[in-house]
Amino acid sequence: AQKVTQAQTEISVVEKEDVTLDCVYETRDTTYYLFWYKQPPSGELVFLIRRNSFDEQNEISGRYSWNFQKSTSSFNFTITASQVVDSAVYFCALSEALFSGYSTLTFGKGTMLLVSP
Amino acid sequence: EPEVTQTPSHQVTQMGQEVILRCVPISNHLYFYWYRQILGQKVEFLVSFYNNEISEKSEIFDDQFSVERPDGSNFTLKIRSTKLEDSAMYFCASSDRGINYGYTFGSGTRLTVV
Repeated sequence: AQKVTQAQTEISVVEKEDVTLDCVYETRDTTYYLFWYKQPPSGELVFLIRRNSFDEQNEISGRYSWNFQKSTSSFNFTITASQVVDSAVYFCALSEALFSGYSTLTFGKGTMLLVSP
Repeated sequence: EPEVTQTPSHQVTQMGQEVILRCVPISNHLYFYWYRQILGQKVEFLVSFYNNEISEKSEIFDDQFSVERPDGSNFTLKIRSTKLEDSAMYFCASSDRGINYGYTFGSGTRLTVV
């Protein structure tokens, strides 16, 4: 069975601090996808990134960066120079890759990030 | 950018009433899903739908729930007799040829059962 663990329930930082959100996953599949979603107070799920299990390159997108380490089954997310607008709940999710069909997402419990001015 | 559209954004219903949540998936997507998020908790898979039938469902998706694609564009989730514990945010999602080709969520319907 697949499992995603986000051990940090809530993180509070002051604006301009860097913050890392941890995600550890478990799967027996050799091919899988990892995701991060942002859920602002308005409630929608905002897609941030998708990474497949064959691509361990770290990725940077503006102030966001992701560190995928297969050896430790982790897919951590760092926000550099955090801003108040980054305040949200962040979910890590895992899916097996079924190239011919559907696939379902297994979500972690989420980390609430509070960025204060 | 193509969107998954959900209506209504918020619905209040009395316990025991039937409710239908509506979704319009992205037009060229083939796979459709419903997920649920009880307030303050994680997002959980309910059901997936492909080729006009359920392809997988979770333990949560019991006989009170049903899904339908009535007209080729809408995708609905029906709860026959709502309970207080059905109060949650319900997300519709669609994907094209599996997870590789994108997986898009709607903005959700907040269901409140009173």
